[in-house]
Amino acid sequence: TQLLEQSPQFLSIQEGENLTVYCNSSSVFSSLQWYRQEPGEGPVLLVTVVTGGEVKKLKRLTFQFGDARKDSSLHITAAQPGDTGLYLCAGADGTASKLTFGTGTRLQVTL
Amino acid sequence: DSGVTQTPKHLITATGQRVTLRCSPRSGDLSVYWYQQSLDQGLQFLIQYYNGEERAKGNILERFSAQQFPDLHSELNLSSLELGDSALYFCASSKTGGNTEAFFGQGTRLTVV
Repeated sequence: TQLLEQSPQFLSIQEGENLTVYCNSSSVFSSLQWYRQEPGEGPVLLVTVVTGGEVKKLKRLTFQFGDARKDSSLHITAAQPGDTGLYLCAGADGTASKLTFGTGTRLQVTL
Repeated sequence: DSGVTQTPKHLITATGQRVTLRCSPRSGDLSVYWYQQSLDQGLQFLIQYYNGEERAKGNILERFSAQQFPDLHSELNLSSLELGDSALYFCASSKTGGNTEAFFGQGTRLTVV
């Protein structure tokens, strides 16, 4: 069974601070996705990383896929209250044809 | 708007009952996934269909079943409901069953009383 552990589970920071969320697994994934979910809504895709070592930037968000394609990180610079939500990583296994979701990181950004 | 439509948005039912949740995927998407999310928990994969056929199965209970119809919409049937089945049920769709991104609906909140 493929498992994706995210850390930290909870993070409460003030506006303007930087943070990093980690997504780790012992399994290799063919690609990895990051989603943000707001209360009562479905997860919304932020980015997909495919190549080991790949780095993608989305405004203040930087995503990195580990060289071995087993782990990933999400770094947010100068967090804003609008970044508040549940961040989920999800690993795709082309053979299994399904996404395995991480345990989630709940981020709260306060003024 | 992700383009994935789920109905109903809310459902309250009694233990022992049966309900059907419906999902219309994005136009052109052949693959449909069903997920369960309990309060403050992560997403648990239930089942995936691709172009009408079951493609992958996760932690889906025997009391639950799903199907995908020729028009590609999907239904998740939950029977003999228990209090612990109360959760948000999400449907997602993607163009293929492989590595492509999945787009989620807004979910159906099921409350079993």
